[in-house]
Amino acid sequence: EVQLVQSGAEVKKPGESLKISCKGSGYSFTSYWIGWVRQMPGKGLEWMGIIYPGDSDTRYSPSFRGQVTISADKSISTAYLQWSSLKASDTAMYYCARHRSEDIATPFDYWGQGTLVTVSS
Amino acid sequence: QSALTQPASVSGSPGQSITISCTGASSDVGAYTYVSWYQQHPGKAPDLMIYDVSSRPSGVSNRFSGSKSGNTASLTISGLQAEDEADYYCSSYTSSNTWVFGGGTKLTVL
Repeated sequence: EVQLVQSGAEVKKPGESLKISCKGSGYSFTSYWIGWVRQMPGKGLEWMGIIYPGDSDTRYSPSFRGQVTISADKSISTAYLQWSSLKASDTAMYYCARHRSEDIATPFDYWGQGTLVTVSS
Repeated sequence: QSALTQPASVSGSPGQSITISCTGASSDVGAYTYVSWYQQHPGKAPDLMIYDVSSRPSGVSNRFSGSKSGNTASLTISGLQAEDEADYYCSSYTSSNTWVFGGGTKLTVL
């Protein structure tokens, strides 16, 4: 059974750094693109970027390039989303999701449960 | 890239059909057959309902169907049921080799 299990909720202060995780199981982790999606409180889904764990090829939405870093450790089947300096506007639910195949032009077919990040002074 | 445009809300009575539109540009919806639709219930992660404009994943009811004309894609739900009440998001592959979501549509079953 394919599963994506995300790390737990985080409460941080502005300016702090953060790295959240998404562990894949039940499939060949290196053979599927994994992406990150932001959902701010009461708002819609925003596509942030994706990574191909097999070779760490990474793509970012122009809106998020330079704001976050996406990485993966294929030895432990885990993808990461990290911030070097959080802002209050980073407060949101973050989902990881798997593309349907090794082809980037496929939809997200499995989703993690979400990680709630709260940034407040 | 700009978000795809969806109506903020639609509603319908049980048994009726509704259609949600998703308007993009010639660099995303108009350029590819890679349009997907997701359903999201409150507090839950999204679920894939339609992909490649009109294909349904295994397990999704055939009451859900998709289509596309030019820069606009559409999701139609027939025989509305109370459980269909949720937020719906379209998504399209883009010429930048990335994806973009629509702003989302809240479906109310009256």
